[in-house]
Amino acid sequence: EPEVTQTPSHQVTQMGQEVILRCVPISNHLYFYWYRQILGQKVEFLVSFYNNEISEKSEIFDDQFSVERPDGSNFTLKIRSTKLEDSAMYFCASRDDYEQYFGPGTRLTVT
Amino acid sequence: AQSVTQLDSQVPVFEEAPVELRCNYSSSVSVYLFWYVQYPNQGLQLLLKYLSGSTLVKGINGFEAEFNKSQTSFHLRKPSVHISDTAEYFCAVSGVNYGQNFVFGPGTRLSVLP
Repeated sequence: EPEVTQTPSHQVTQMGQEVILRCVPISNHLYFYWYRQILGQKVEFLVSFYNNEISEKSEIFDDQFSVERPDGSNFTLKIRSTKLEDSAMYFCASRDDYEQYFGPGTRLTVT
Repeated sequence: AQSVTQLDSQVPVFEEAPVELRCNYSSSVSVYLFWYVQYPNQGLQLLLKYLSGSTLVKGINGFEAEFNKSQTSFHLRKPSVHISDTAEYFCAVSGVNYGQNFVFGPGTRLSVLP
Protein backbone atom coordinates (compact mmCIF):
# COMPACT_ATOMS: atom_id res chain seq x y z
CA GLU A 1 0.00 0.00 0.00
CA PRO A 2 1.42 3.41 -0.92
CA GLU A 3 2.46 5.59 1.98
CA VAL A 4 3.91 8.98 2.74
CA THR A 5 7.52 8.87 3.86
CA GLN A 6 9.54 11.47 5.74
CA THR A 7 13.23 11.96 6.38
CA PRO A 8 14.95 12.28 8.72
CA SER A 9 12.97 10.73 11.57
CA HIS A 10 14.81 12.93 14.06
CA GLN A 11 16.78 16.10 13.45
CA VAL A 12 18.75 17.98 16.06
CA THR A 13 19.92 21.47 15.19
CA GLN A 14 21.25 24.55 16.89
CA MET A 15 19.24 27.72 17.21
CA GLY A 16 19.71 29.95 14.19
CA GLN A 17 20.54 27.12 11.81
CA GLU A 18 18.54 26.28 8.70
CA VAL A 19 16.82 22.92 8.46
CA ILE A 20 15.11 21.15 5.61
CA LEU A 21 12.57 18.45 6.33
CA ARG A 22 11.81 16.10 3.49
CA CYS A 23 8.70 14.25 2.47
CA VAL A 24 7.75 11.95 -0.37
CA PRO A 25 3.97 12.13 -0.87
CA ILE A 26 1.91 9.38 -2.43
CA SER A 27 2.65 9.52 -6.13
CA ASN A 28 -0.75 10.29 -7.67
CA HIS A 29 -1.81 12.81 -5.02
CA LEU A 30 -1.97 16.47 -5.94
CA TYR A 31 -2.37 18.26 -2.59
CA PHE A 32 0.39 18.25 -0.01
CA TYR A 33 0.47 19.56 3.54
CA TRP A 34 2.71 20.23 6.50
CA TYR A 35 1.47 20.09 10.08
CA ARG A 36 3.25 20.70 13.36
CA GLN A 37 2.73 19.18 16.79
CA ILE A 38 4.53 20.72 19.73
CA LEU A 39 5.12 18.13 22.43
CA GLY A 40 1.94 17.43 24.36
CA GLN A 41 -0.20 19.67 22.19
CA LYS A 42 -2.54 19.27 19.28
CA VAL A 43 -1.66 18.94 15.63
CA GLU A 44 -1.64 22.33 13.89
CA PHE A 45 -1.93 23.07 10.19
CA LEU A 46 1.01 24.94 8.67
CA VAL A 47 0.58 25.02 4.91
CA SER A 48 -1.01 23.34 1.92
CA PHE A 49 0.55 23.13 -1.53
CA TYR A 50 -1.11 22.50 -4.88
CA ASN A 51 0.00 22.90 -8.46
CA ASN A 52 3.45 24.05 -7.39
CA GLU A 53 2.29 26.87 -5.19
CA ILE A 54 1.03 27.51 -1.69
CA SER A 55 -2.72 27.05 -1.54
CA GLU A 56 -3.28 28.08 2.05
CA LYS A 57 -1.14 28.84 5.08
CA SER A 58 -1.73 29.42 8.76
CA GLU A 59 -0.52 32.23 10.97
CA ILE A 60 2.26 29.96 12.17
CA PHE A 61 3.73 29.79 8.67
CA ASP A 62 5.66 33.06 8.71
CA ASP A 63 8.60 34.24 6.63
CA GLN A 64 10.91 31.81 8.40
CA PHE A 65 9.16 28.92 6.67
CA SER A 66 9.10 27.95 3.03
CA VAL A 67 7.97 24.92 1.05
CA GLU A 68 9.13 23.56 -2.22
CA ARG A 69 8.61 20.66 -4.57
CA PRO A 70 12.07 20.52 -6.08
CA ASP A 71 11.38 17.51 -8.27
CA GLY A 72 8.56 15.16 -9.14
CA SER A 73 8.62 13.28 -5.87
CA ASN A 74 9.95 15.31 -2.94
CA PHE A 75 8.14 17.95 -0.93
CA THR A 76 10.24 19.95 1.50
CA LEU A 77 9.73 22.27 4.44
CA LYS A 78 12.54 24.71 5.14
CA ILE A 79 12.95 26.65 8.35
CA ARG A 80 15.38 29.44 7.66
CA SER A 81 16.66 30.29 11.12
CA THR A 82 15.40 27.90 13.76
CA LYS A 83 14.20 29.03 17.16
CA LEU A 84 13.79 27.00 20.32
CA GLU A 85 10.02 27.13 19.89
CA ASP A 86 10.31 25.38 16.52
CA SER A 87 11.03 22.17 18.41
CA ALA A 88 8.14 19.90 17.48
CA MET A 89 7.04 16.92 15.46
CA TYR A 90 6.44 17.86 11.84
CA PHE A 91 4.02 15.77 9.81
CA CYS A 92 3.73 15.76 6.06
CA ALA A 93 0.50 14.62 4.39
CA SER A 94 -0.88 14.17 0.92
CA ARG A 95 -4.50 13.94 -0.08
CA ASP A 96 -6.71 12.02 -2.44
CA ASP A 97 -10.32 12.99 -3.11
CA TYR A 98 -11.44 12.47 0.47
CA GLU A 99 -8.74 12.11 3.05
CA GLN A 100 -5.18 12.96 3.95
CA TYR A 101 -2.50 10.37 4.47
CA PHE A 102 0.07 11.27 7.06
CA GLY A 103 3.73 10.44 7.14
CA PRO A 104 5.42 9.13 10.30
CA GLY A 105 6.77 12.57 11.19
CA THR A 106 10.12 14.22 11.77
CA ARG A 107 10.98 15.16 15.31
CA LEU A 108 12.87 18.45 15.23
CA THR A 109 14.85 19.39 18.32
CA VAL A 110 16.35 22.88 18.44
CA THR A 111 19.02 23.37 21.08
CA ALA B 1 -13.49 27.49 8.62
CA GLN B 2 -13.91 24.56 10.94
CA SER B 3 -13.20 24.00 14.61
CA VAL B 4 -13.14 20.89 16.78
CA THR B 5 -13.79 20.52 20.48
CA GLN B 6 -12.82 17.54 22.58
CA LEU B 7 -14.23 18.37 25.97
CA ASP B 8 -12.40 15.67 27.89
CA SER B 9 -8.67 16.20 28.01
CA GLN B 10 -8.16 13.01 30.03
CA VAL B 11 -10.31 9.92 30.39
CA PRO B 12 -9.26 7.22 32.86
CA VAL B 13 -11.11 3.93 32.56
CA PHE B 14 -10.63 0.42 33.89
CA GLU B 15 -9.70 -2.41 31.60
CA GLU B 16 -12.67 -4.15 29.94
CA ALA B 17 -14.97 -1.20 30.68
CA PRO B 18 -16.68 0.71 27.87
CA VAL B 19 -15.47 4.14 26.88
CA GLU B 20 -16.76 7.12 24.92
CA LEU B 21 -14.53 9.96 23.78
CA ARG B 22 -16.46 13.03 22.79
CA CYS B 23 -15.92 15.19 19.72
CA ASN B 24 -17.96 18.16 18.58
CA TYR B 25 -17.26 20.29 15.57
CA SER B 26 -18.45 23.46 13.94
CA SER B 27 -18.45 24.15 10.24
CA SER B 28 -20.33 26.25 7.74
CA VAL B 29 -19.87 23.57 5.05
CA SER B 30 -20.30 19.83 4.86
CA VAL B 31 -17.46 17.90 6.43
CA TYR B 32 -15.56 14.68 6.56
CA LEU B 33 -14.70 13.45 10.05
CA PHE B 34 -11.82 11.38 11.35
CA TRP B 35 -10.40 9.88 14.51
CA TYR B 36 -6.68 9.31 14.90
CA VAL B 37 -4.74 7.56 17.64
CA GLN B 38 -1.23 8.51 18.66
CA TYR B 39 0.90 6.29 20.85
CA PRO B 40 3.81 7.89 22.75
CA ASN B 41 6.54 9.17 20.46
CA GLN B 42 4.77 7.87 17.39
CA GLY B 43 2.87 9.25 14.44
CA LEU B 44 -0.84 9.47 13.71
CA GLN B 45 -2.75 6.30 12.97
CA LEU B 46 -6.18 6.52 11.37
CA LEU B 47 -8.81 4.75 13.49
CA LEU B 48 -11.86 5.47 11.40
CA LYS B 49 -13.48 8.02 9.13
CA TYR B 50 -16.88 9.29 8.11
CA LEU B 51 -17.16 10.41 4.51
CA SER B 52 -20.81 9.74 3.67
CA GLY B 53 -23.51 7.11 4.00
CA SER B 54 -24.17 5.25 7.24
CA THR B 55 -23.69 7.46 10.25
CA LEU B 56 -22.25 4.58 12.28
CA VAL B 57 -18.72 3.82 11.19
CA LYS B 58 -16.51 1.03 12.39
CA GLY B 59 -12.77 1.25 12.58
CA ILE B 60 -9.74 -0.67 13.65
CA ASN B 61 -9.11 -2.14 17.09
CA GLY B 62 -12.83 -2.48 17.84
CA PHE B 63 -13.59 1.25 17.80
CA GLU B 64 -16.69 2.79 16.28
CA ALA B 65 -18.08 6.30 15.99
CA GLU B 66 -21.42 7.83 15.17
CA PHE B 67 -21.90 10.96 13.14
CA ASN B 68 -24.74 13.11 14.43
CA LYS B 69 -25.31 16.03 12.11
CA SER B 70 -27.93 17.75 14.24
CA GLN B 71 -25.67 17.72 17.28
CA THR B 72 -22.52 18.25 15.20
CA SER B 73 -20.87 15.41 17.03
CA PHE B 74 -18.70 12.43 16.17
CA HIS B 75 -18.16 10.53 19.41
CA LEU B 76 -15.80 7.58 19.54
CA ARG B 77 -16.77 4.43 21.42
CA LYS B 78 -15.37 1.07 22.35
CA PRO B 79 -17.38 -1.50 24.31
CA SER B 80 -14.41 -3.00 26.14
CA VAL B 81 -10.99 -1.37 26.35
CA HIS B 82 -7.58 -2.97 26.75
CA ILE B 83 -4.44 -1.69 28.39
CA SER B 84 -2.98 -1.33 24.91
CA ASP B 85 -5.61 1.30 24.06
CA THR B 86 -3.82 3.78 26.31
CA ALA B 87 -2.91 6.62 23.97
CA GLU B 88 -3.85 10.09 22.79
CA TYR B 89 -6.91 10.32 20.55
CA PHE B 90 -7.50 13.17 18.13
CA CYS B 91 -10.70 14.04 16.34
CA ALA B 92 -10.23 15.88 13.02
CA VAL B 93 -12.52 17.56 10.52
CA SER B 94 -12.08 18.57 6.93
CA GLY B 95 -14.37 20.46 4.61
CA VAL B 96 -15.56 18.38 1.67
CA ASN B 97 -14.19 20.80 -0.89
CA TYR B 98 -11.17 19.31 -2.57
CA GLY B 99 -7.88 20.13 -0.94
CA GLN B 100 -9.10 21.49 2.37
CA ASN B 101 -6.76 20.95 5.28
CA PHE B 102 -7.56 19.07 8.45
CA VAL B 103 -8.44 20.83 11.67
CA PHE B 104 -7.59 18.77 14.73
CA GLY B 105 -9.10 18.83 18.16
CA PRO B 106 -6.90 19.24 21.24
CA GLY B 107 -6.87 15.52 21.93
CA THR B 108 -8.09 13.22 24.67
CA ARG B 109 -5.65 11.18 26.69
CA LEU B 110 -7.19 7.74 27.31
CA SER B 111 -5.61 5.90 30.22
CA VAL B 112 -6.70 2.30 30.70
CA LEU B 113 -6.13 1.10 34.23
CA PRO B 114 -5.64 -2.54 35.25
